[in-house]
Amino acid sequence: AQKITQTQPGMFVQEKEAVTLDCTYDTSDPSYGLFWYKQPSSGEMIFLIYQGSYDQQNATEGRYSLNFQKARKSANLVISASQLGDSAMYFCAMREGDPNDYKLSFGAGTTVTVRA
Amino acid sequence: DAGITQSPRHKVTETGTPVTLRCHQTENHRYMYWYRQDPGHGLRLIHYSYGVKDTDKGEVSDGYSVSRSKTEDFLLTLESATSSQTSVYFCAISDGRGYEQYFGPGTRLTVT
Repeated sequence: AQKITQTQPGMFVQEKEAVTLDCTYDTSDPSYGLFWYKQPSSGEMIFLIYQGSYDQQNATEGRYSLNFQKARKSANLVISASQLGDSAMYFCAMREGDPNDYKLSFGAGTTVTVRA
Repeated sequence: DAGITQSPRHKVTETGTPVTLRCHQTENHRYMYWYRQDPGHGLRLIHYSYGVKDTDKGEVSDGYSVSRSKTEDFLLTLESATSSQTSVYFCAISDGRGYEQYFGPGTRLTVT
């Protein structure tokens, strides 16, 4: 079974608008962490944001916020005030179990294109 | 930026030949990982290491072996490359204390 599901293969967003990228996950482990990575066309993987399963508040990092809905097993990424440089592939990922264990399971990714 | 390099960055090889990819880190991190990236699959874990000479299999380990004789180097070997191993390979490291996993720049491997 797929551990991470990203149902949006591609999205278009107007510059300065907000965009929400969907991510659902599947785990029976009470201890897990959720990550979002950005991969621009140059190919590098850039860490954006992290949410632990026991964190009470939704994670935020600058223009990135993670909408964590534990009961729905959902960890959507919200990018506010989109910029042209936000055009990239975005991956949701999860680690399970031992917090020292950083083996990640990735979703298939969502391509975001920001229009001027 | 975390000090991770991968070599080579690009390689074209023929089916049946052995190939070794190298990941080198200068961060003295304990954990190292090899992933492959394919369209429609995101990144998938091949093998990982939790210390010198300590390695384990990931989700897609068939056809791959690894070695780690020094903290800073993690080698991925394709004993006999096949066309299905054409992919982009990423190395990653973590220190096991924080939560961030740092990725190398990737190696694009084409098996013809």
